[in-house]
Amino acid sequence: KAGVTQTPRYLIKTRGQQVTLSCSPISGHRSVSWYQQTPGQGLQFLFEYFSETQRNKGNFPGRFSGRQFSNSRSEMNVSTLELGDSALYLCASSLVKRTSGDQETQYFGPGTRLLVL
Amino acid sequence: KQEVTQIPAALSVPEGENLVLNCSFTDSAIYNLQWFRQDPGKGLTSLLLIQSSQREQTSGRLNASLDKSSGRSTLYIAASQPGDSATYLCAVVGLGTSGSRLTFGEGTQLTVNP
Repeated sequence: KAGVTQTPRYLIKTRGQQVTLSCSPISGHRSVSWYQQTPGQGLQFLFEYFSETQRNKGNFPGRFSGRQFSNSRSEMNVSTLELGDSALYLCASSLVKRTSGDQETQYFGPGTRLLVL
Repeated sequence: KQEVTQIPAALSVPEGENLVLNCSFTDSAIYNLQWFRQDPGKGLTSLLLIQSSQREQTSGRLNASLDKSSGRSTLYIAASQPGDSATYLCAVVGLGTSGSRLTFGEGTQLTVNP
C-alpha cells in the first residue's frame, strides 16, 4: 500500500505570495492532519480534516487554510507569506473506525519544505 | 493545556548499549500515545502506538511503556545500532480532543556511535 504523499517536496517563495500544498493520504484513510515544524517551535498542529469537514484547528492565523476533497486528498493554503512561515509542513493520515470513531496509528508523509525569502 | 516534555534533549551512546528515552505529559486524560522517529530533513516514521488502556507495546528491539496515572512513557531501545541515530518524538492525543490532534514533545536526538 502506498504511503502518504506530499507535493511539492520543496518550494521557494517570496514574502507576500501565496502557496498551496497537497497531501494524498493512504488509501482508505479518511482523516488528514497538517503540522508545521520549525527549529524554534517544534511540531505544531495546524488543522485536521475528516470526511471533507474541518474538525480541529490549531492556533494559527487565518492566513492558513485548508480543505479536503471527496477522495480524502487535502490541500493547505498559506496566503500573504511571511518569513516566519518558512518551515517543514507535514501531513498525516489515519484510519478512523466507523463504529467507534477510534483513531489508529497516524502515518506521516515526507513533508514539503517551504522557504520564504 | 497539554504539555509534553522529553528528556534528555540529546543522547550519545556507543553501539550495542541499551537505552531509555523518557516522555512526560501534564494531562493524564489521553486517548493514546505514539512514538515516532525522524531522520534529518525527513518526515516522521511511526514506531509504536499505545492506547490509554495498555501498559506497553513491543516491536523488535523497541519497547514502549505507558503509565497514564503518572503521565509518563518510556521508549526502551535494546542493543542500539548506528542506524538508530535519529530524533525520537513522543506525542499524545488528548481525551478532550475531537479528532486525531497530536501534541508533540520536542524530541530526543539520539546518536549511536560505531
